[in-house]
Amino acid sequence: QVQLVQSGAEVKKPGASVKVSCKASGYTFSTYAITWVRQAPGQGLEWMGWISTYDGNTKYAQKLQGRVTMTTDTSTSTAYMELRSLRSDDTAVYYCARRDYHDYWGQGTLVTVSS
Amino acid sequence: IVLTQSPGTLSLSPGERATLPCRASQSVSSSYLAWYQQKPGQAPRLLMYGASSRATGIPDRFSGSGSGTDFTLTISRLEPEDFAVYYCQQYDSSPPLYTFGQGTKVEIK
Repeated sequence: QVQLVQSGAEVKKPGASVKVSCKASGYTFSTYAITWVRQAPGQGLEWMGWISTYDGNTKYAQKLQGRVTMTTDTSTSTAYMELRSLRSDDTAVYYCARRDYHDYWGQGTLVTVSS
Repeated sequence: IVLTQSPGTLSLSPGERATLPCRASQSVSSSYLAWYQQKPGQAPRLLMYGASSRATGIPDRFSGSGSGTDFTLTISRLEPEDFAVYYCQQYDSSPPLYTFGQGTKVEIK
């Protein structure tokens, strides 16, 4: 069965970086793009960006340009999202999701940014 | 594209019909419009894609309609497990362009 399994919760200080992983199984990884979505406490869903698992092309949300990098490792069917220069308002649950309309989601990774 | 979901909260009773609108600021190409359900502490769950196609395993009391700038998610008869937050999303991979609405919470009246 299709699964996206994310890495565990992180606590970071302002200015630090975080890298969240998303390991896919149960399907051919390069078939579908991976999208990253985050949700601040009590807030709605925010699209962060998209990566093609076929050729590595990326598209990032404008507000995160310059701070976010999305990559994939096709040998391990794993996608990564790195966010740099963390601020308190980056505190959120970060999700990976499969394909254009997100039929499968990871379980979420809580990233807390606090001094 | 900005997606507007209004009202922010719908207060309904089990068995009632729920109608959730989603309005886009520009026409959504090829009806690339999806709906998700999210319950507290859980990841979102895909309900509908292509505006009106039900995702795998979604009960037929859920239906989607619309095109252009106006879309609707309808729940024909609310079951206790349907009380949740619902998001619409525009998606397009050429070029990648994804936007979520701010969500509508369906709460028990």
